[in-house]
Amino acid sequence: NAGVTQTPKFRVLKTGQSMTLLCAQDMNHEYMYWYRQDPGMGLRLIHYSVGEGTTAKGEVPDGYNVSRLKKQNFLLGLESAAPSQTSVYFCASSYGAGETDTQYFGPGTRLTVL
Amino acid sequence: KNQVEQSPQSLIILEGKNCTLQCNYTVSPFSNLRWYKQDTGRGPVSLTIMTFSENTKSNGRYTATLDADTKQSSLHITASQLSDSASYICVVSVLVLKDSNYQLIWGAGTKLIIKP
Repeated sequence: NAGVTQTPKFRVLKTGQSMTLLCAQDMNHEYMYWYRQDPGMGLRLIHYSVGEGTTAKGEVPDGYNVSRLKKQNFLLGLESAAPSQTSVYFCASSYGAGETDTQYFGPGTRLTVL
Repeated sequence: KNQVEQSPQSLIILEGKNCTLQCNYTVSPFSNLRWYKQDTGRGPVSLTIMTFSENTKSNGRYTATLDADTKQSSLHITASQLSDSASYICVVSVLVLKDSNYQLIWGAGTKLIIKP
């Protein structure tokens, strides 16, 4: 099993450009998440999905959109990138969102917006 | 406001030595506390999960403790190895009553460096 994979691993954008980050999981998990990680801060939840065809806003959703057309994939889109979106983005998945459900993380995408 | 604070921010120790990382939290209602290990350039990996009734949990050379009264947790690493060099993140789970899901509140992590 590959677990959670993310593409691309690195990307540099200019302000105003758009891009899509792809997350895929092969564990048949219902829940998927997108986080961003910035220096000196804890992970912050951007959007999440509780199943195929569903999406919901997390703590910092502004400037991002997501889609979950297939259970195994969760896409994160930036329509008009801004320097404040320079960050490392992590995708995660879990079987559920119960008290002791564990989230499994991908390797991350390092995004720089110039 | 729900918060998780970790100390120290960074720590350097010699290989073979023990160390203890601290986590203080102010969340309500508390559900459980988790410790994650994050290697440089990788995603976090779960080490332990402790519920309200558990006050200690071990995973190999890692031992986590929880004091729910003082809202403190610690992660003790015994006989450190070079491969223990990583960030260690404390995460507290909070029950979100309106949709019956659990929200994770992430600490900023402690960066641990093991020197030979």
